[in-house]
Amino acid sequence: EPEVTQTPSHQVTQMGQEVILRCVPISNHLYFYWYRQILGQKVEFLVSFYNNEISEKSEIFDDQFSVERPDGSNFTLKIRSTKLEDSAMYFCASSGPNQPQHFGDGTRLSIL
Amino acid sequence: AQRVTQPEKLLSVFKGAPVELKCNYSYSGSPELFWYVQYSRQRLQLLLRHISRESIKGFTADLNKGETSFHLKKPFAQEEDSAMYYCAFRSYNTDKLIFGTGTRLQVFP
Repeated sequence: EPEVTQTPSHQVTQMGQEVILRCVPISNHLYFYWYRQILGQKVEFLVSFYNNEISEKSEIFDDQFSVERPDGSNFTLKIRSTKLEDSAMYFCASSGPNQPQHFGDGTRLSIL
Repeated sequence: AQRVTQPEKLLSVFKGAPVELKCNYSYSGSPELFWYVQYSRQRLQLLLRHISRESIKGFTADLNKGETSFHLKKPFAQEEDSAMYYCAFRSYNTDKLIFGTGTRLQVFP
């Protein structure tokens, strides 16, 4: 069964540094998402992406965040200047139209 | 505000006992409800989707619009059911999922 893959599994970064989290969605999916889960809290929506543009974003997704589909397979989340409170598990998901979202294993981001 | 509530953080049962994981939502329109499961150190996996009305791994869930609930049930729990279970909701005009805080199910032998 095809899967969403995310790299790296764990990223450790100094506060203030830029970080890029990578995702390869399921190949025939057209809708892409990022969620995050701070330790001990619920999974929270960050952003959805369709047809090469953001279709929806949450309040969390401020100017420090950006997403990109640089080629036909990757979908990235960039945090420009990381803060301590960005430490969380970041999940990528993808779906077809009106289909359930399939999640990756997540990237654990630790900000020092 | 749109919200999903899972009142139990932890539910412990013995193997063979019935299980009900509670989920309530706040939304005035027609929602789409899901249950996702996360086994130890694994990804979030879709377990059930209310519009499919199917049974997966013996689990069922019925959308009750009057009670705004989507409780997950299984008549006889198995040890391999031990996992974190998340209820999630999507409104008709958006793709984003709103998750509950999750319930950890522990099934003892």
